Amino acid sequence: QVQLVQSGAEVKKPGASVKVSCKAAGYTFISYGISWVRQAPGQGLEWMGWISAYNGNTNYAQKFQGRVTMTADTSTTTAYMEVRSLRSDDTAVYYCARDLRMAAGGDWFDPWGQGTLVIVAS
Amino acid sequence: EIVLTQSPATLSLSPGERATLSCRASQSVSNFLAWYQQKPGQPPRLLIYDASNRPTGTPARFSGSGSGTDFTLTISSLEPEDFAVYYCQQRYNWPRTFGQGTKLESK
Repeated sequence: QVQLVQSGAEVKKPGASVKVSCKAAGYTFISYGISWVRQAPGQGLEWMGWISAYNGNTNYAQKFQGRVTMTADTSTTTAYMEVRSLRSDDTAVYYCARDLRMAAGGDWFDPWGQGTLVIVAS
Repeated sequence: EIVLTQSPATLSLSPGERATLSCRASQSVSNFLAWYQQKPGQPPRLLIYDASNRPTGTPARFSGSGSGTDFTLTISSLEPEDFAVYYCQQRYNWPRTFGQGTKLESK
């Protein structure tokens, strides 16, 4: 079945970087895009950006431009999201989610990974 | 950026009752709107897409309606497992945006 498995929880100091992975299985990786969404504790959902696994094209929320990089490794069917210059308000659960339909260029999010908790604290 | 405003923030109902959740967009999103359900400690789950389509696995008691700027998620008869937080989301343009959520709680 289609599955996205994310890397484990991270604790980082302010100013550091974190790279979260999202391992895809059960479908043709390059046929679907992947979005990243985060959720601060007790808060709502915030879309961060999207990457095409086919050609690596990206679309980032303006808020994260220059501080976030999304990549996709077709050889390992794994998507990555790196956040640099971490601040305390980056503490959140980070989710990857696949496009619902293939070649949809940024479709509805389904399925989702299990989430990766990133804590930023000194 | 398209702002989605959900109402009410919290809805208190009993099992068996009908739930009506609203999502209003700051500009037209045509029918490019989805609804997600999130339970504590779990990722969100897609419930409705393209305003009114149910993906495989979404029970028939969930229905979506609307177009343009006003959308509704209706749960015809609440089951105990339906108490959760619901988010709407648009993909009419970039950036993708979510509403702030409606918490559906058991009375």
